Amino acid sequence: GDSVTQMEGPVTLSEEAFLTINCTYTATGYPSLFWYVQYPGEGLQLLLKATKADDKGSNKGFEATYRKETTSFHLEKGSVQVSDSAVYFCALPTGGKLIFGQGTELSVKP
Amino acid sequence: NAGVTQTPKFQVLKTGQSMTLQCAQDMNHEYMSWYRQDPGMGLRLIHYSVGAGITDQGEVPNGYNVSRSTTEDFPLRLLSAAPSQTSVYFCASSWGGPNEQFFGPGTRLTVL
Repeated sequence: GDSVTQMEGPVTLSEEAFLTINCTYTATGYPSLFWYVQYPGEGLQLLLKATKADDKGSNKGFEATYRKETTSFHLEKGSVQVSDSAVYFCALPTGGKLIFGQGTELSVKP
Repeated sequence: NAGVTQTPKFQVLKTGQSMTLQCAQDMNHEYMSWYRQDPGMGLRLIHYSVGAGITDQGEVPNGYNVSRSTTEDFPLRLLSAAPSQTSVYFCASSWGGPNEQFFGPGTRLTVL
């Protein structure tokens, strides 16, 4: 069945470092792909999305490109801030449900 | 516009007790869902609904019941609480399917 796999965390970076969080998927067809973010003590929020192959989603300095050749949707940010410390989830809709990766915890140190 | 609201925020139960977690949304979303979040397990879908009067099971439905009598409300019932149900529960809603879901702030449940 359809699935999403994320790189395991936690990831610890210094402020202004470059961030990549890997996400790969297995799916029939070409579903939309999402990145959600969960700040401490809060629910998840949609960070960005891509609805078709080669789409690039972007928001708050984060970007992710839907690559069907490598079945990937890696999250990137050029310069992280302390306020980006959170858990990041990759997700795809399938069979009337949204399935999530395991989540990657990011900690940014000043 | 309150978005998705959940009550209570925290709850402690004894084994065998029953309770209802409340979820409401004011965005007229057709799709609503319940997840539980456990350390190392990510989010797991419990039940979901594609509209009033229609519900279906997710990945981990055992021990939980839902109903959807109105578009706005989607309560989750624990019939006889067990320690294995200690978790953080999130309700979410979206337009026309499980895309771009809006999440509530969560209910942290402890079962002793």
